[in-house]
Amino acid sequence: AQTVTQSQPEMSVQEAETVTLSCTYDTSESDYYLFWYKQPPSRQMILVIRQEAYKQQNATENRFSVNFQKAAKSFSLKISDSQLGDAAMYFCAYRSYGQNFVFGPGTRLSVLP
Amino acid sequence: NAGVTQTPKFQVLKTGQSMTLQCAQDMNHEYMSWYRQDPGMGLRLIHYSVGAGITDQGEVPNGYNVSRSTTEDFPLRLLSAAPSQTSVYFCASSYRETGGTEKLFFGSGTQLSVL
Repeated sequence: AQTVTQSQPEMSVQEAETVTLSCTYDTSESDYYLFWYKQPPSRQMILVIRQEAYKQQNATENRFSVNFQKAAKSFSLKISDSQLGDAAMYFCAYRSYGQNFVFGPGTRLSVLP
Repeated sequence: NAGVTQTPKFQVLKTGQSMTLQCAQDMNHEYMSWYRQDPGMGLRLIHYSVGAGITDQGEVPNGYNVSRSTTEDFPLRLLSAAPSQTSVYFCASSYRETGGTEKLFFGSGTQLSVL
């Protein structure tokens, strides 16, 4: 079974600085998708960014970018110019074609003013 | 433009009581699912459905029942609540984009406490 690991239960970053959240996964599939979801205190789950495994180019969405290392099965999220509104729980998720999502345990990010 | 509507937002039950968490989506998604979120464990899949009349178990199905009589609705039933079912519950749905990349759309969650 596929598993997703987030080894940092908590992280903090100074406002305007850059932070990287780690995610590793275990799979024997070659074709799959990876996601980062944000959960602010409102509890709403918000898709931040996603990556298709067949694409070598790392996905970017404004201040959010990923470092996808397929051979290492690593999928880290970099947040640049951190803002107070970035404070949230971040979940890494994996899904292979036609299968259910598998979520990691989450990383709680604090942004310090 | 409602998306995924999940009710109630909060619920307190006594051990042994039953209740139904409601979930409805207006996006004509075939896939719907229920997750529970517990500290340090992320989101774990309870049950899912790939279409009306079709349901299947996820990672943690014990103590929960589901049905899918229509495309829009996917209720989750707790038949006899236990303190171990204290959790935050999320309903989610998805469609299949061109190329196979699927996004999950989440409801706003239900905080359930079982005393």
